[in-house]
Parts: sequence; C-alpha cells; structure tokens
Amino acid sequence: DTAVSQTPKYLVTQMGNDKSIKCEQNLGHDTMYWYKQDSKKFLKIMFSYNNKELIINETVPNRFSPKSPDKAHLNLHINSLELGDSAVYFCASSQGQWSGYTFGSGTRLTVV
Amino acid sequence: DQQVKQNSPSLSVQEGRISILNCDYTNSMFDYFLWYKKYPAEGPTFLISISSIKDKNEDGRFTVFLNKSAKHLSLHIVPSQPGDSAVYFCAARGGSQGNLIFGKGTKLSVKP
Repeated sequence: DTAVSQTPKYLVTQMGNDKSIKCEQNLGHDTMYWYKQDSKKFLKIMFSYNNKELIINETVPNRFSPKSPDKAHLNLHINSLELGDSAVYFCASSQGQWSGYTFGSGTRLTVV
Repeated sequence: DQQVKQNSPSLSVQEGRISILNCDYTNSMFDYFLWYKKYPAEGPTFLISISSIKDKNEDGRFTVFLNKSAKHLSLHIVPSQPGDSAVYFCAARGGSQGNLIFGKGTKLSVKP
C-alpha cells in the first residue's frame, strides 16, 4: 500500500505545453505539500495545503497552480512549461503543519 | 540564502566504521530537526528527529546530536552498513508556516 503516490513518475514534454502531476495520500493526513528539487539538489517548498486550504505559496511563478479537490489529493498544474521547470517534484503529506512528512517517490519533469 | 547547510556533498566510509554527517543552520528559532534518507528514484524517508530541548536522540544505529549554541547538528551511524549508502538530508522546522527547510544533502557511500 503506497502511502503517498504521485503520477506520472516521469514526464517529458516540450516547452510551452501544459501538464499536470497528481498526488494522492492514504494516510489520513490533513496537510499536503509540493516540493521542488532542482539541479542543485535543493528541496524547496512550493505550496502547502491544509484541509484543502492553501497555507503556503512560496515565490513560485503563477504558471504553477495547485489544486486540492479534497484533503487526500493535491495536484499540480503547470502552464506554458519552460526549460527551467525541469526538476524532480515531490509531493508530501503530514498530520498538521508541525509534524514530520511522508514523501512520494517524485515526478521527474524534463522540458525539452 | 541557505538556512540549512550541509557543507559536505559526499562522504565515503568503510563498512563497520562510523559515519558522521554534519548540518549547520542559521536561524535560532528553529525548534525541531529531522534527518531524511533518500535512495535514487525514491522520495526521502524519515530517519530520526530531535527537538531543540534535547541534545541527543538515539534510535538503534542512528544518533543525532544537537549543539544549539553552535547551531550545529550531526548524524552518527554506527556501525555503517552498505545499505546505508544514500543521500541524507538534514531538515529544520521553522518556515513561515512550520514547513520543513532542507539542506542540499550529503551522499554517503559505505564500502564493503
């Protein structure tokens, strides 16, 4: 049973396209996150949702739009993809904002 | 600005010896620290944590030490095993909404 699952695992797409990454957790956690790991290997937070409500929106281009239809899902939609968007995107969840995270296995996005 | 720093990108250790991974942070308001372990093509998995009110936490072969005055923590793995070979991320809780801030990671290689 996968606790935090992301799809797809790999995504190769052309510049200018629009794509979505899906994330689902079956842990009953109420908080979900998107992190980006760039080429320098930093894991940086992008967004956080608590019970479907956006609580963190770091300095991320507005081409990135998270959507949380319910507290078990947090999807990431990216418009007009750019080369610099190439990275590994990790979804994570936690119970409350003040506990450890469980991560998904990541989505490697390559923009060509 | 890096609030959590792991200055050694890699570390190589012989099986059976001690592995010491280091982490420095800049914000004295951080109150909780975690270590995550990451294998290739997988998400980070929680390893061990320590609250700022403690200076040591032990779990089997893994011990985390916290030196608040130096804003430094370290992870000791004794004895090291080849299966410990992975990237280790140090994280601190203290973002604007209690989110985790990660270091760049240290790649540990344990040689048989």
